[in-house]
Amino acid sequence: NAGVMQNPRHLVRRRGQEARLRCSPMKGHSHVYWYRQLPEEGLKFMVYLQKENIIDESGMPKERFSAEFPKEGPSILRIQQVVRGDSAAYFCASSRSRAGANVLTFGAGSRLTVL
Amino acid sequence: AQRVTQPEKLLSVFKGAPVELKCNYSYSGSPELFWYVQYSRQRLQLLLRHISRESIKGFTADLNKGETSFHLKKPFAQEEDSAMYYCALSPSGQGGSEKLVFGKGTKLTVNP
Repeated sequence: NAGVMQNPRHLVRRRGQEARLRCSPMKGHSHVYWYRQLPEEGLKFMVYLQKENIIDESGMPKERFSAEFPKEGPSILRIQQVVRGDSAAYFCASSRSRAGANVLTFGAGSRLTVL
Repeated sequence: AQRVTQPEKLLSVFKGAPVELKCNYSYSGSPELFWYVQYSRQRLQLLLRHISRESIKGFTADLNKGETSFHLKKPFAQEEDSAMYYCALSPSGQGGSEKLVFGKGTKLTVNP
């Protein structure tokens, strides 16, 4: 079992470009969570998705950020018109069911650098 | 507001010495508390959760609601314990731990 797979591991973008981060959950997991870690900060919850549904996006910035988890394929975190403040590590986690009964399994993270 | 505070950014001890990583939280309800660990070049992984009341790799943590603390302790540190440790809180009634609130982490170095 390859665990939670995130790619790319490192992504460099110039201001104004788009960033797309992908997350494939563990086999058998249908719940995906995205967290962001700014430099010198702890991880902060962004969004919780199930297949084809956004369950909780209370941690997502109101503009430029979106997430999806299609029926087929990985979950995508999309950041449009990136700014320097978006530079961070973005972690994806998955669970078999709603995380109250299960432990979150984290991916290795995707580090976004905005020049 | 929910908040997790880890007052020590860095902690260095010698092998065999006791270690305590501090964690304080701010939450008005009954939270669930966790410790996550990230070893060098590895992924963040759950170390222990307070409801399990178990000892993992020699580490224990007791939830003290009076002091709103969940300090992580180990009586005899080992070099392989060197890692980044994150304390996390899950608010009650949120249906689960998907909305974990993390502290900023403590980097533990165990010297030989």
